[in-house]
Amino acid sequence: DIQMTQSPSSLSASVGDRVTITCRASQSISSYLNWYQQKPGKAPKLLIYAASSLQSGVPSRFSGSGSGTDFTLTISSLQPEDFATYYCQQSYSTPKITFGQGTRLEIK
Amino acid sequence: QLQLQESGPGLVKPSETLSLTCTVSGGSISSSSYYWGWIRQPPGKGLEWIGSIYYSGSTYYNPSLKSRVTISVDTSKNQFSLKLSSVTAADTAVYYCARQSPSVAGYYGMDVWGQGTTVTVSS
Repeated sequence: DIQMTQSPSSLSASVGDRVTITCRASQSISSYLNWYQQKPGKAPKLLIYAASSLQSGVPSRFSGSGSGTDFTLTISSLQPEDFATYYCQQSYSTPKITFGQGTRLEIK
Repeated sequence: QLQLQESGPGLVKPSETLSLTCTVSGGSISSSSYYWGWIRQPPGKGLEWIGSIYYSGSTYYNPSLKSRVTISVDTSKNQFSLKLSSVTAADTAVYYCARQSPSVAGYYGMDVWGQGTTVTVSS
């Protein structure tokens, strides 16, 4: 099974900050990497697929990069609505998928 | 606009079987290329993929749950279902259904989710 490890587990930042979250796969997954945002009490929302492609309707301040085993999600200028938990997910072995443990982004 | 809605008992006794249904509206569950999945989230914890099904009936399960999970599809009702047997308190979670959808280039993502339903395992 492919294991996904995110860092950090939690992060404090201020509105306007640039934030980066990393995700590492236990084996090469090419670009088969998705990012989700989840707010309390809500279902996750797909932000980025194929490591760097923005899902329709997602603001351009979100971006993704990486391939192989190392990936990053970057928010260029944090907005109040961006404080949430972010998950990476490998789709290399679709439909058998695995998620990272999540990164909680909190207001400083 | 495609929508998914989970339904089922919110309380299940230990050792019994948890049963949930996901109803798909605004589109057909029989559309090719899509997988239909179940994901759960224990209180305060992360997301765990339970399993997925293709409209043809082919199933794929998380190895850690495989011995207890059955996912089925009813194309006539545009629904797919989850059964998890021999539940314990560790199965208490919010259960989501979701669609695994391919991009033009064939990269899959879970692009449509149900709102989630809370299932508590307790006597």
